[in-house]
Amino acid sequence: DAGITQSPRHKVTETGTPVTLRCHQTENHRYMYWYRQDPGHGLRLIHYSYGVKDTDKGEVSDGYSVSRSKTEDFLLTLESATSSQTSVYFCAISSPESRYSPLHFGNGTRLTVT
Amino acid sequence: AQTVTQSQPEMSVQEAETVTLSCTYDTSESDYYLFWYKQPPSRQMILVIRQEAYKQQNATENRFSVNFQKAAKSFSLKISDSQLGDAAMYFCASKIQGGSEKLVFGKGTKLTVNP
Repeated sequence: DAGITQSPRHKVTETGTPVTLRCHQTENHRYMYWYRQDPGHGLRLIHYSYGVKDTDKGEVSDGYSVSRSKTEDFLLTLESATSSQTSVYFCAISSPESRYSPLHFGNGTRLTVT
Repeated sequence: AQTVTQSQPEMSVQEAETVTLSCTYDTSESDYYLFWYKQPPSRQMILVIRQEAYKQQNATENRFSVNFQKAAKSFSLKISDSQLGDAAMYFCASKIQGGSEKLVFGKGTKLTVNP
């Protein structure tokens, strides 16, 4: 399996507090992604990165920011958490050098905003 | 823009029987890939099967096979000889080659396997 580690695995936080989720990969893949999963919505892309310091928005980026200062790390920040951001967050990686490559996912972070 | 639609929120099957999960997609691109992912209660996302759009032959992986109808933009997953371990959420996804390499997912189908 692809080496992807998400931390923390679970987190409970209060409305209005900042939260940072971390994704760490050991595969040296160029592309990294943050998705959120909610019942009835599947997985939706929040932000993605196509290289160090190169990021772009996905379909549900409002309220989220990202940073990638090293190839192996991709951080997702909720500047001021809201209850609507209660979700399971998945990090994924891919390598476009392999045309057939799917995304490889981390094990997810369950975030609860109270 | 890519869209992926899974019209069956839930499905059930008897152990050892066959079940088909439906997926339709929409894209204006010609070079794309389609995937089925399985998500058991452990939350792990597991790749089940993948299909390249330019290949006419349907992909097969052991008990899992797809029916890829390119003109109809349909990509269904057939699970043969269903096992209790097949119970999970199944997500259909599409990826356009090049660009951001991102996957667009359907909303998922929850499969229950009855003993």
